[in-house]
Amino acid sequence: GENVEQHPSTLSVQEGDSAVIKCTYSDSASNYFPWYKQELGKRPQLIIDIRSNVGEKKDQRIAVTLNKTAKHFSLHITETQPEDSAVYFCAASRQTGANNLFFGTGTRLTVIP
Amino acid sequence: KAGVTQTPRYLIKTRGQQVTLSCSPISGHRSVSWYQQTPGQGLQFLFEYFSETQRNKGNFPGRFSGRQFSNSRSEMNVSTLELGDSALYLCASSLAQELFFGEGSRLTVL
Repeated sequence: GENVEQHPSTLSVQEGDSAVIKCTYSDSASNYFPWYKQELGKRPQLIIDIRSNVGEKKDQRIAVTLNKTAKHFSLHITETQPEDSAVYFCAASRQTGANNLFFGTGTRLTVIP
Repeated sequence: KAGVTQTPRYLIKTRGQQVTLSCSPISGHRSVSWYQQTPGQGLQFLFEYFSETQRNKGNFPGRFSGRQFSNSRSEMNVSTLELGDSALYLCASSLAQELFFGEGSRLTVL
């Protein structure tokens, strides 16, 4: 099965700085890579996703990049704000219509005001 | 539109007991998946149901089982509970690829 590794496990940045979280996956057949954000005590929510036919996707202050050859993808958050503080999970799956996402172990991001 | 609803929200069991958790998906969503969330392991996939059929299964022992009803509501059952089963169990429903999670059922095994 798929194995997703995520680094770092914790990340602290000053408000306004950028944050980068990296993930690697093992299954070369995976072609859907979402990122979920989980604020303290709340449920995970999708913030951005990317499919294998795209190398980069941006949505305001967040962006995701994908390198299929190296089997890694990254989340980039620019101009971080205190409300960005949360646990971020990357995930991978084969786009077969089945919703069996394999998640990384999460990165706890703390934005220091 | 109501979100994903999970019951119970909190429960305490002792080793050896069994537990059943319930999940009501967003109306119209036919896919329901279950995840176990623990501090060290993150979100681990348990199984996914679609139209009352288990479509995918993660790497959990047979003590973990589930089912889905004709109205798409789903239940998961854990038998012979172990201390290591203490976790937040999240249910998610989906229409396409995005998962919509419930608030979870927090299980504590003593």
